Amino acid sequence: DAGVTQSPTHLIKTRGQQVTLRCSPKSGHDTVSWYQQALGQGPQFIFQYYEEEERQRGNFPDRFSGHQFPNYSSELNVNALWLGDSALYLCASRNWADRDGYTFGSGTRLTVV
Amino acid sequence: TQLLEQSPQFLSIQEGENLTVYCNSSSVFSSLQWYRQEPGEGPVLLVTVVTGGEVKKLKRLTFQFGDARKDSSLHITAAQPGDTGLYLCAGVRGAQKLVFGQGTRLTINP
Repeated sequence: DAGVTQSPTHLIKTRGQQVTLRCSPKSGHDTVSWYQQALGQGPQFIFQYYEEEERQRGNFPDRFSGHQFPNYSSELNVNALWLGDSALYLCASRNWADRDGYTFGSGTRLTVV
Repeated sequence: TQLLEQSPQFLSIQEGENLTVYCNSSSVFSSLQWYRQEPGEGPVLLVTVVTGGEVKKLKRLTFQFGDARKDSSLHITAAQPGDTGLYLCAGVRGAQKLVFGQGTRLTINP
């Protein structure tokens, strides 16, 4: 049973560029959340998707956007990259009915130079 | 503003010693979770505590939720090098998001 799959695992981008990160949730999960984890910090909530709609958003600018597809997979897009966007981006999935059953992927390490 | 404060942020002890990590907040959460994260990996859920005063045990790890559901602790008995890692507490807010502490980086020396 595959867990949460994220791609790519590592990425290097230049300031001002745009990036798209991808997430496939664990089998049976229909809800996907994205988190940003800066070095030495705990993860920070970006947003959550359920039924292809953004359900809640954290304190992140509009440069961060997302999408959920009918197969429950999700994308995180970041426009106009800043150096400060360098972080580990984590995807977490769960079943909407199970509030506590989060499963995290291994993340995408984004470096902005 | 960090809604969940973990202490200590760093802890290095010898194998066989006991330790306690604390997670404190001024806010009430519907439940609280503890995760362990290895380098290059995502957090892995260890336990969820829901009821005020609840105590859960996972082998040598004991988790407690405060009576007011604002704080929690993780106690490890007879620590082993395999316990090394980043321990994160996370408060569950409604059905939408996890609010994480900044983590406790634990190193167990052989």
